[in-house]
Amino acid sequence: KQEVTQIPAALSVPEGENLVLNCSFTDSAIYNLQWFRQDPGKGLTSLLLIQSSQREQTSGRLNASLDKSSGRSTLYIAASQPGDSATYLCAVRPGIYNQGGKLIFGQGTELSVKP
Amino acid sequence: DTEVTQTPKHLVMGMTNKKSLKCEQHMGHRAMYWYKQKAKKPPELMFVYSYEKLSINESVPSRFSPECPNSSLLNLHLHALQPEDSALYLCASSQVLAGAQETQYFGPGTRLLVL
Repeated sequence: KQEVTQIPAALSVPEGENLVLNCSFTDSAIYNLQWFRQDPGKGLTSLLLIQSSQREQTSGRLNASLDKSSGRSTLYIAASQPGDSATYLCAVRPGIYNQGGKLIFGQGTELSVKP
Repeated sequence: DTEVTQTPKHLVMGMTNKKSLKCEQHMGHRAMYWYKQKAKKPPELMFVYSYEKLSINESVPSRFSPECPNSSLLNLHLHALQPEDSALYLCASSQVLAGAQETQYFGPGTRLLVL
C-alpha cells in the first residue's frame, strides 16, 4: 500500500532564506508526483508535476526533484517571501495498481515565512 | 480558463436535511473528482467520474450521492449526514484519467458544517 510522508510537519523561516521541503513514498511504481500549495480554508493550487520519467521540474523560484528509486522528492523554494506562507502538499499518483486518477497525499508541511 | 468553481462556499445543515454541492468546470476536462478534507489533514478521495460515468467510489457511505449530469458539472447530494461529516469538500478535474502528465485542478471547496 502506497504511503506518502512529508517532513517537517511545520517550518518557520525568515524572509529571504532558501528552503527545502521533503516528501517520501513507499512504492516506486508511480505515474507522477505533484506538489500543491494550500492557503488556509482554500482549495489546492498545483505548483509542479514531475512525471515518473523525469528528474526535476522548475517554475520560477520553485524547483522540484524526483528520485523514484529511493522514493523521494524535494521542493526547493529560493529566496522565500511572506507570501509563500501556506501548507505544501505532496501527492503521488500510483502506477501499476492505479484505478485511474487517484492521488495519495502526504500530511503536508505548514510553512511560515517571517518578514 | 483553468478554473473550477464550487457552490456554495459555506453550508450549514441539520442531520435531517437534504442539500447538494455543485462543481463546474469549462476546461473540457472529462475526469472529475470529489475529495473530503478534515482540518489539518490531507484530502481524501471520495469519487471519480470519467466521461460522466462513475469510475471510483472509495467506499463512501450512501448518505453521499454523486451525480455527473454532463461533462462540465458534478454534484454531490447530501442526506442524513452526521456531525463527523463536517469538512471541506473539494472538487477537482483533469483532462482525462490516464496519462503521466495529467494535472488535477482543484476548486476552492465548500466548507460544510453538520449540526
